[in-house]
Amino acid sequence: SQQGEEDPQALSIQEGENATMNCSYKTSINNLQWYRQNSGRGLVHLILIRSNEREKHSGRLRVTLDTSKKSSSLLITASRAADTASYFCGGGGGGNKLTFGTGTQLKVEL
Amino acid sequence: GAVVSQHPSRVICKSGTSVKIECRSLDFQATTMFWYRQFPKQSLMLMATSNEGSKATYEQGVEKDKFLINHASLTLSTLTVTSAHPEDSSFYICSATQGNSGHNEQFFGPGTRLTVL
Repeated sequence: SQQGEEDPQALSIQEGENATMNCSYKTSINNLQWYRQNSGRGLVHLILIRSNEREKHSGRLRVTLDTSKKSSSLLITASRAADTASYFCGGGGGGNKLTFGTGTQLKVEL
Repeated sequence: GAVVSQHPSRVICKSGTSVKIECRSLDFQATTMFWYRQFPKQSLMLMATSNEGSKATYEQGVEKDKFLINHASLTLSTLTVTSAHPEDSSFYICSATQGNSGHNEQFFGPGTRLTVL
């Protein structure tokens, strides 16, 4: 079963704008991880935030985690056309097992 | 960085045949490997968790006799789709983790596109 929903399902923005994606999860987690997937390819790990952390940064990425609301957000600042991809959040449980959300398809237009 | 390969990248087979997909961690020893399937424009659905030397743990609704998983070494896991049917056509992705901290990222293979005619 899937961990939860991601919002929005699809997002189209202009290059240079910020993109924000939200993820909600259902069960308790040890951490929440964000991945990106280019069409027809495997997933690439972006960032991991632990359940006792509230915010984390990595380059142009900013992730927040609200365990009381069981939600997380991924912000990509100053987006580029190369950021066009699908983005998935995965709730990390025991044994490093991940349960993925439904994903957000991001399109960054020139 | 950690690299995971999958072979083959694409396979087309006739209904009723079996197909084996390999997943290898190239530069690290994987504590655990995971197998997912993904339908077009959908999320990844975890099929099973595989630890070297032990039986795979299958998710609810996944037939273990249909999807045979063998994890012979710390760098190789195989998924065999037995007696494949058109509804088994999908994108199969493996991933591997190193360590047991519970906060380990997963390194994904590039995926295998299976088409059953």
